[in-house]
Amino acid sequence: QKEVEQDPGPLSVPEGAIVSLNCTYSNSAFQYFMWYRQYSRKGPELLMYTYSSGNKEDGRFTAQVDKSSKYISLFIRDSQPSDSATYLCAMTSGTYKYIFGTGTRLKVLA
Amino acid sequence: DTAVSQTPKYLVTQMGNDKSIKCEQNLGHDTMYWYKQDSKKFLKIMFSYNNKELIINETVPNRFSPKSPDKAHLNLHINSLELGDSAVYFCASSQADSYEQYFGPGTRLTVT
Repeated sequence: QKEVEQDPGPLSVPEGAIVSLNCTYSNSAFQYFMWYRQYSRKGPELLMYTYSSGNKEDGRFTAQVDKSSKYISLFIRDSQPSDSATYLCAMTSGTYKYIFGTGTRLKVLA
Repeated sequence: DTAVSQTPKYLVTQMGNDKSIKCEQNLGHDTMYWYKQDSKKFLKIMFSYNNKELIINETVPNRFSPKSPDKAHLNLHINSLELGDSAVYFCASSQADSYEQYFGPGTRLTVT
């Protein structure tokens, strides 16, 4: 079993929809959780960073962490065609080792 | 101003050759990383350096040797290239007390 599981998609939604992206993990030592967006042939770009359980909101993006279920989510409100990209979750226990999910490919249709 | 830069952007070479990839960051960060992203987009950490010291080596073959001449640079040298080394290699950096990593644009390595 992989330490971090993420549905690869692709996920296609109409413009304006609310998108829900998720990751599950097995290592209870993970404390710091990140979401990255990666456009085709570009480097990952940090979107959200959360520590431990709870919610964090930034504009149209909301990150949720449920440590009891070992489950993290990223919600995108009012999705735009420019949100079409691969979304990667990442986590670490506080060392310099980060574990990434395999990424979910999102397509927002105009 | 590019925060994390890598050279070259593309690298095509034959099996058995030796090649290097360079990374530089101008963010003033003291921790740098190398990642490998395979054809299925899976991003896997290879090395972490903090203040020029190697702190993470994720069971990477000895053919891969990172070198950090100073805090702003982390280079990756690969000996005796194999077909399985074909991937995109990303450099990243972060502050030691932060878990927010900033990635470079990647180096697409193709071994033929």
